[in-house]
Amino acid sequence: AQKVTQAQTEISVVEKEDVTLDCVYETRDTTYYLFWYKQPPSGELVFLIRRNSFDEQNEISGRYSWNFQKSTSSFNFTITASQVVDSAVYFCALSVETSGSRLTFGEGTQLTVNP
Amino acid sequence: DADVTQTPRNRITKTGKRIMLECSQTKGHDRMYWYRQDPGLGLRLIYYSFDVKDINKGEISDGYSVSRQAQAKFSLSLESAIPNQTALYFCATSDRLGQGYNEQFFGPGTRLTVL
Repeated sequence: AQKVTQAQTEISVVEKEDVTLDCVYETRDTTYYLFWYKQPPSGELVFLIRRNSFDEQNEISGRYSWNFQKSTSSFNFTITASQVVDSAVYFCALSVETSGSRLTFGEGTQLTVNP
Repeated sequence: DADVTQTPRNRITKTGKRIMLECSQTKGHDRMYWYRQDPGLGLRLIYYSFDVKDINKGEISDGYSVSRQAQAKFSLSLESAIPNQTALYFCATSDRLGQGYNEQFFGPGTRLTVL
């Protein structure tokens, strides 16, 4: 069985601060995929990034960056110079090849960026 | 127009009532999913369908049933609603190609309240 843990339930920062959202996963499969989704206050789920288990390169997209470390089973998400519009719930999720595209989600982290 | 639509968007019902939530998609995807979101629990999979004739239970299927009327339509039913089924329900779709690789596209959600 798969498991995703986001230990940070809520994080509050002041605008322009950097913030890292933690994600730890568990799986026995050797081929798997990790995702981050954003849920803004309007409620929809927005896909941010996908990573496969064979690619440990970190990725940067504008103010967003992701650090994937198989050694610690972590896939952390950093927002640099946070903005009020980054306020949302962020979900980390995992799928494994043997279960098609079924996603196992973490509990989510509520990020609040204050002006 | 949105690629994945859900109706109704909001519903208040009473204990014991039968209710159906509907999902339609124009993405041409074979795979469809139903999740529920509860605060602090993330999203949990209720049912999923890899094609019209392939329907599977997720991790929390008790009290729910589904129907895949066509490739584009996937309905979730609560035969006799109870208050702990109060939640935000999401429908999602994904392409069948690339086992586990493809991101899921989510509908806007249905907020269900059972009194």
